[in-house]
Amino acid sequence: ETGVTQSPTHLIKTRGQQVTLRCSSQSGHNTVSWYQQALGQGPQFIFQYYREEENGRGNFPPRFSGLQFPNYSSELNVNALELDDSALYLCASSSYLAGRPYEQYFGPGTRLTVT
Amino acid sequence: EDKVVQSPLSLVVHEGDTVTLNCSYEVTNFRSLLWYKQEKKAPTFLFMLTSSGIEKKSGRLSSILDKKELSSILNITATQTGDSAIYLCAVASSYGNKLVFGAGTILRVKS
Repeated sequence: ETGVTQSPTHLIKTRGQQVTLRCSSQSGHNTVSWYQQALGQGPQFIFQYYREEENGRGNFPPRFSGLQFPNYSSELNVNALELDDSALYLCASSSYLAGRPYEQYFGPGTRLTVT
Repeated sequence: EDKVVQSPLSLVVHEGDTVTLNCSYEVTNFRSLLWYKQEKKAPTFLFMLTSSGIEKKSGRLSSILDKKELSSILNITATQTGDSAIYLCAVASSYGNKLVFGAGTILRVKS
């Protein structure tokens, strides 16, 4: 049991719509990272939030945005959904240590289907 | 660009067999390599290997980091059907906060 929770478990949206996914980090962790995992591929880094600020971003367009709240929970927002956004969205919680290795623990994911 | 390649892509073994999964990487200023097991959705953390910790072991699973060859192996001895999963390898560099993942190895253990 990692302690990282995500909601919803799955959802279906229509192309052009907007979606918000939520993540609660593990107790004691201050950092949340979001990943997109397409079928048959490894997870791809979207961005990371640390102390409510974006702390690194992958190769995703600006329509992917996020927030982190004072309790370290986080949201991922995707605007103008495209069919290719269909994927498993994973949230990872960690205790960020600048310049030092740290482990990331994943939540169960949200399966997004765009039709 | 940081890159991780895992091999084989998939394999099928019988219970009791020993398997070795491979991970090779190219990363700017290596910081750590992590192994995860993914059964349905959530990747479950297995090991983190760093320059100061190049070998890890937990029960039937063990992993070694070869910094000279830029690679790592994950060994599973006396495999069980419960070991059937996708095994993911990821690396982190000192220049960023992301994990770069390989495509994974699909392991199926037959009874």
